[in-house]
Amino acid sequence: DVKVTQSSRYLVKRTGEKVFLECVQDMDHENMFWYRQDPGLGLRLIYFSYDVKMKEKGDIPEGYSVSREKKERFSLILESASTNQTSMYLCASSFRWGSPLHFGNGTRLTVT
Amino acid sequence: DQQVKQNSPSLSVQEGRISILNCDYTNSMFDYFLWYKKYPAEGPTFLISISSIKDKNEDGRFTVFLNKSAKHLSLHIVPSQPGDSAVYFCAASARSNYQLIWGAGTKLIIKP
Repeated sequence: DVKVTQSSRYLVKRTGEKVFLECVQDMDHENMFWYRQDPGLGLRLIYFSYDVKMKEKGDIPEGYSVSREKKERFSLILESASTNQTSMYLCASSFRWGSPLHFGNGTRLTVT
Repeated sequence: DQQVKQNSPSLSVQEGRISILNCDYTNSMFDYFLWYKKYPAEGPTFLISISSIKDKNEDGRFTVFLNKSAKHLSLHIVPSQPGDSAVYFCAASARSNYQLIWGAGTKLIIKP
């Protein structure tokens, strides 16, 4: 069974802090994704990666960056957290394009 | 402009009856559609999908119907069970792109 693990379930950070959200998958999947989920807006894609060291912007990349140094790990970085980045962050992976996504349990980030 | 719309934020259904969740889309290039289910404090899990070459796909109690001319799909759950209480997301993609576009979700409540 595919396991996608996000390092934190809840995080509280202050405005201006640098924030790292970590995600690890154990199924040797090529593709990894970072989404944020907000009420009434569904899931919105921040960044995705189709290979080690490769990354592509999603729909809402502003204020975020990512890192994929190893195939199993995909990190989301908030360079300077702002209150409008308070959200639920979901990491996902997929075997190949078109395969269903497997999600982690999410990190609820609050920026005060 | 939301390309994938789930117009009912919530739906309440009696246990044992049929649950029908609806989803509309605007982009005629979409040719692959998926439904995901999400419990609180967990990530979404893949439920069922349908390609545009079909108009129906079944998996146990779950059936998805696609009406391409109306740009509408629906998920039927028969019979509804208490464990079906969750948020259901509809998502769509064009195979040329594979990036998923998500609806805002419908919260399904199954009443005993």
